[in-house]
Amino acid sequence: SQQGEEDPQALSIQEGENATMNCSYKTSINNLQWYRQNSGRGLVHLILIRSNEREKHSGRLRVTLDTSKKSSSLLITASRAADTASYFCATDEGDMRFGAGTRLTVKP
Amino acid sequence: GAGVSQSPRYKVAKRGQDVALRCDPISGHVSLFWYQQALGQGPEFLTYFQNEAQLDKSGLPSDRFFAERPEGSVSTLKIQRTQQEDSAVYLCASSLAEARAHEQYFGPGTRLTVT
Repeated sequence: SQQGEEDPQALSIQEGENATMNCSYKTSINNLQWYRQNSGRGLVHLILIRSNEREKHSGRLRVTLDTSKKSSSLLITASRAADTASYFCATDEGDMRFGAGTRLTVKP
Repeated sequence: GAGVSQSPRYKVAKRGQDVALRCDPISGHVSLFWYQQALGQGPEFLTYFQNEAQLDKSGLPSDRFFAERPEGSVSTLKIQRTQQEDSAVYLCASSLAEARAHEQYFGPGTRLTVT
């Protein structure tokens, strides 16, 4: 069964706009990770946020974690066409559990 | 350095055939994971190795699925008597850490089509 649930399932924006994706989970976690998957390829790790952290930045990425609401968000600022991909959150409930992902399309 | 590699990249099998999927993790990575990814879905955990020990195989969907990592490096996922519902992309990932919940490095996957 999948632990993380991403929202929305699909998102289409113009280049330069910001993209926000959300992830909800069900049980307590130690950390949460975000991954990107380009079509036909494996997943690439983006960022890991621990349960005692509330916000983390990496380049144009900003991740927040609200353990009281069991939710996380991924913000991509100043999006580029190359950001077009599926984005997954994964939690460490025992092992790694991925959601179904958000399919982001950035139009040039 | 080299990343995680998987072979073959594509495999077509007739229903009932056995298949073997190979994963070469990053050298020195202790942990190795197998996932199954159906079209439009996220990866579903299959099994986890720490070195040569298979610590968790709770995600294997049936006893037709078998995984091994005999020397703690290369791993093989074997599916016996393949069924159409086995059609999916099989992803392998490795991690430097012993604990499961650390950054994983994924291979490109093997796309299995069972006809």
